[in-house]
Amino acid sequence: NAGVTQTPKFQVLKTGQSMTLQCAQDMNHEYMSWYRQDPGMGLRLIHYSVGAGITDQGEVPNGYNVSRSTTEDFPLRLLSAAPSQTSVYFCASSYSSRGGYEQYFGPGTRLTVT
Amino acid sequence: KQEVTQIPAALSVPEGENLVLNCSFTDSAIYNLQWFRQDPGKGLTSLLLIQSSQREQTSGRLNASLDKSSGRSTLYIAASQPGDSATYLCAVLSRLNDMRFGAGTRLTVKP
Repeated sequence: NAGVTQTPKFQVLKTGQSMTLQCAQDMNHEYMSWYRQDPGMGLRLIHYSVGAGITDQGEVPNGYNVSRSTTEDFPLRLLSAAPSQTSVYFCASSYSSRGGYEQYFGPGTRLTVT
Repeated sequence: KQEVTQIPAALSVPEGENLVLNCSFTDSAIYNLQWFRQDPGKGLTSLLLIQSSQREQTSGRLNASLDKSSGRSTLYIAASQPGDSATYLCAVLSRLNDMRFGAGTRLTVKP
């Protein structure tokens, strides 16, 4: 299994540009999430999905859109990039296991907005 | 709102020492708590998952405990090695798919 994969690894955008960060998992996990990691702030949840066709907002959803048309894929769209969106973005998937939900993370995408 | 705090923010120890990393959380109504390791520029690797009904979990030299009533978890690393140098993150799942992270403890183990 490849686990959770993310592309691209690095991206530089100009203010106002849009782009899509790709995330895929091959573990047939129901749940998928997007987080951003900023220095000194830990990871914060942007959006999540509990299954194909179902998405919801997390802690910091503004400026981002998601969709979940298949179990495997969960892309994150930046609508109009801003310097405040410079961050490292992580995608994660999880499944229910003995009453808990263990999360598996992708390698991350480092995004710089100039 | 669940808040997760990790102390200390950074820790430097000589090789071979046993050490404890601390995690505290404000809301004891949790599904589970997960400890991760993050190497510089890399993603998160899951170390241990403790369900809300459990008190501890062990994997090799790592032992994690959970005390829900006091809102605390500890990660114990035995006989530390330079390869253990990384940032350790604690994360609490308070409701489905709402996982809150601490800011992490940056560990350096000196040879």
